[in-house]
Amino acid sequence: DTGVSQDPRHKITKRGQNVTFRCDPISEHNRLYWYRQTLGQGPEFLTYFQNEAQLEKSRLLSDRFSAERPKGSFSTLEIQRTEQGDSAMYLCASSLVAEQYFGPGTRLTVT
Amino acid sequence: GQSLEQPSEVTAVEGAIVQINCTYQTSGFYGLSWYQQHDGGAPTFLSYNGLDGLEETGRFSSFLSRSDSYGYLLLQELQMKDSASYFCAVRPWDSNYQLIWGAGTKLIIKP
Repeated sequence: DTGVSQDPRHKITKRGQNVTFRCDPISEHNRLYWYRQTLGQGPEFLTYFQNEAQLEKSRLLSDRFSAERPKGSFSTLEIQRTEQGDSAMYLCASSLVAEQYFGPGTRLTVT
Repeated sequence: GQSLEQPSEVTAVEGAIVQINCTYQTSGFYGLSWYQQHDGGAPTFLSYNGLDGLEETGRFSSFLSRSDSYGYLLLQELQMKDSASYFCAVRPWDSNYQLIWGAGTKLIIKP
């Protein structure tokens, strides 16, 4: 399968814990995006990488969120001191130009 | 800022034609994209309008009129598998390929 993959698919954590998600984009795609989606809403942009450089980050993104793409391939998204409001689907997408290809997402539940 | 408006829900009959509208307020954007998302699944790309006019891809067509700040997705010969949420999204001029999304339209198809 050469699509975008994400791990884990589901994560349940207690409030205050740290969590880390991984995204493996399509291998030839140099652009990688993280989005967050809650029920009944469209995806909300979090951050963008071109190769290993993080070029854009949502102004709405808390300092508890950090993302890396160390070798320009896979990416990780870490949420520190999780809050119940962080419960959502976290989507990763990759692209060469305009069309973005999405992974299956990681569903985070903070209890 | 940017905002996109879509109807929250549309109901149609199998075999019929349905149009999902998207109106937007944005300072400037490269193009209008449409994505399909089944319950529990990831968004998948359907079509892109960079220029005004109609783009056709099989049973799906998409239209953009920048002068009217309006676009739509047209689905023909509806099948039960087309039951999903449909999102319009724009890529603003002042972004690095990030997408701004509407809240989505849930399409319900009845036999």
